[in-house]
Amino acid sequence: QKEVEQNSGPLSVPEGAIASLNCTYSDRGSQSFFWYRQYSGKSPELIMFIYSNGDKEDGRFTAQLNKASQYVSLLIRDSQPSDSATYLCAVPKVGSTLGRLYFGRGTQLTVWP
Amino acid sequence: KAGVTQTPRYLIKTRGQQVTLSCSPISGHRSVSWYQQTPGQGLQFLFEYFSETQRNKGNFPGRFSGRQFSNSRSEMNVSTLELGDSALYLCASSPGLAPHSSTDTQYFGPGTRLTVL
Repeated sequence: QKEVEQNSGPLSVPEGAIASLNCTYSDRGSQSFFWYRQYSGKSPELIMFIYSNGDKEDGRFTAQLNKASQYVSLLIRDSQPSDSATYLCAVPKVGSTLGRLYFGRGTQLTVWP
Repeated sequence: KAGVTQTPRYLIKTRGQQVTLSCSPISGHRSVSWYQQTPGQGLQFLFEYFSETQRNKGNFPGRFSGRQFSNSRSEMNVSTLELGDSALYLCASSPGLAPHSSTDTQYFGPGTRLTVL
């Protein structure tokens, strides 16, 4: 079982819709969770992190964490064509530093006008 | 504040050669991690350095090595290159002073695209 798994996508939504990206993790001891955005040909860019159960909002982005079910999701409200990218979920190795992240394979999101 | 920089940005080598990649972290950051990204395997952790010491190591063969200098700049070396080493190599830096705190987040450089022929 992979440490981090993401719904493979690709995901395509119209402009203005809500995009929902999901991620599950295998180690119940995981405490921190990160979402990175990666545009084609570019490096990953941190957009959100969450470590408490519940929701965390930042602008149009909401991260949701459910430790009992071992999933973390990212909602993008009012999606824009500029949100078209691959979204990577990352979890630190339990017992290690945050400098060692396990990444999911990513979900490719396309927002069409 | 300047971001993470990596040099060179692109590199073409042939099998059997060795290569050295360089990473300069964000000013004040002392932790540097290296990742390999390929279409087949995604992003995989190579190693992390902090204060010139390797703090974590991923599951890569010994051909992959790294080091960190006193100014926190880091290099990684791949010896005896194989075709499968073709990848985007990413460096990420973080403050490193609270390595188990969720505030110690990583910021990535632009990467070095290595092609092995």
